[in-house]
Amino acid sequence: DQQVKQNSPSLSVQEGRISILNCDYTNSMFDYFLWYKKYPAEGPTFLISISSIKDKNEDGRFTVFLNKSAKHLSLHIVPSQPGDSAVYFCAASEGITDKLIFGTGTRLQVFP
Amino acid sequence: KAGVTQTPRYLIKTRGQQVTLSCSPISGHRSVSWYQQTPGQGLQFLFEYFSETQRNKGNFPGRFSGRQFSNSRSEMNVSTLELGDSALYLCASSALAGSTGELFFGEGSRLTVL
Repeated sequence: DQQVKQNSPSLSVQEGRISILNCDYTNSMFDYFLWYKKYPAEGPTFLISISSIKDKNEDGRFTVFLNKSAKHLSLHIVPSQPGDSAVYFCAASEGITDKLIFGTGTRLQVFP
Repeated sequence: KAGVTQTPRYLIKTRGQQVTLSCSPISGHRSVSWYQQTPGQGLQFLFEYFSETQRNKGNFPGRFSGRQFSNSRSEMNVSTLELGDSALYLCASSALAGSTGELFFGEGSRLTVL
């Protein structure tokens, strides 16, 4: 039972344009959501997070939107850069815990 | 500040054997968690330890076990290996148990079971 779903396994975007990565969840008890980025042969690195009491959080080029009624969140990267090419994982947790439920990831490729 | 260190980075085992993986967290971090990454399943939670106590356990069989030492270093063990245990095993640390979910991951131990 996949509680966190990333339905697009891959996404290709031109440099300078917007990248939108999507994530859906089924567990209404999730109240904290995170995005991680992973390069080959490296561990995932934390990118941005959002609490369920908010619907938007920004950090530089990265913005995460949360739609609780739709159980949907998205990560916007503007403008996209070739260095953003990586696998992006959406994750969720119930309460304050290090037990994260991850999606299966979306591979983003930013081309010149 | 050194990051999360996992050893060994790569290992090959045969079915039925057992394996022990080691993780040294970032200095000062007391919480360690383990995840299994496979191509079809993404990252799946295995365990979470804080101050030598297991706080959470994922939905894995009893062949998967772990522990944490007084210096916060952690080990996980998989006994009676199966082909499906082939995966990247990732260790992550955080300063406090359940701080904000912002985990610092190591590069992983890639296990191949033949």
